[in-house]
Amino acid sequence: DAGVIQSPRHEVTEMGQEVTLRCKPISGHNSLFWYRQTMMRGLELLIYFNNNVPIDDSGMPEDRFSAKMPNASFSTLKIQPSEPRDSAVYFCASSFALSGNTIYFGEGSWLTVV
Amino acid sequence: TQLLEQSPQFLSIQEGENLTVYCNSSSVFSSLQWYRQEPGEGPVLLVTVVTGGEVKKLKRLTFQFGDARKDSSLHITAAQPGDTGLYLCAGAGSTLTFGKGTMLLVSP
Repeated sequence: DAGVIQSPRHEVTEMGQEVTLRCKPISGHNSLFWYRQTMMRGLELLIYFNNNVPIDDSGMPEDRFSAKMPNASFSTLKIQPSEPRDSAVYFCASSFALSGNTIYFGEGSWLTVV
Repeated sequence: TQLLEQSPQFLSIQEGENLTVYCNSSSVFSSLQWYRQEPGEGPVLLVTVVTGGEVKKLKRLTFQFGDARKDSSLHITAAQPGDTGLYLCAGAGSTLTFGKGTMLLVSP
């Protein structure tokens, strides 16, 4: 079975540019999570969806960040405009439920903003 | 906010040594999970502990959940280079809260 699929794997962009990260969750999973990982702050939950509906976006750093889940098999995380401090690895993950079950992570999108 | 503190942050050992890493919190969790993350990959679940005092074994890895369900430990016996990675604990609440992890390097 295919796992969580993320794209792009790596992106280098200039400050001020728009960045769009994409995620395809595991088929049948109804919860989707976006995490950001840095050395300083570890793995931080940005936003999560349940049945395509955003449940909690309190982890989104600021208005430059937005996430959508138009259907059960696709989600995007957008940063506009991007800044150097946004450089991090962004992980998408999915599970059968919000808690108590295994969360399956994608391989991550490595973002560098110069 | 429920915080999980992991220690040590970094650990570098030789193949064959034993080690223990810790995950501590002031909060009670309904369950706690341990993940291993290898370079360039996402975290992968190793185990979930649910009951206070529970001990689970996964080959050379032994996981223990504290009696009060606030802390956990991971003990690795006879570490191997393949054990190298970032070990993350995560407490279950409305969602998972992750610690910052222990980076383990096992040298041949």
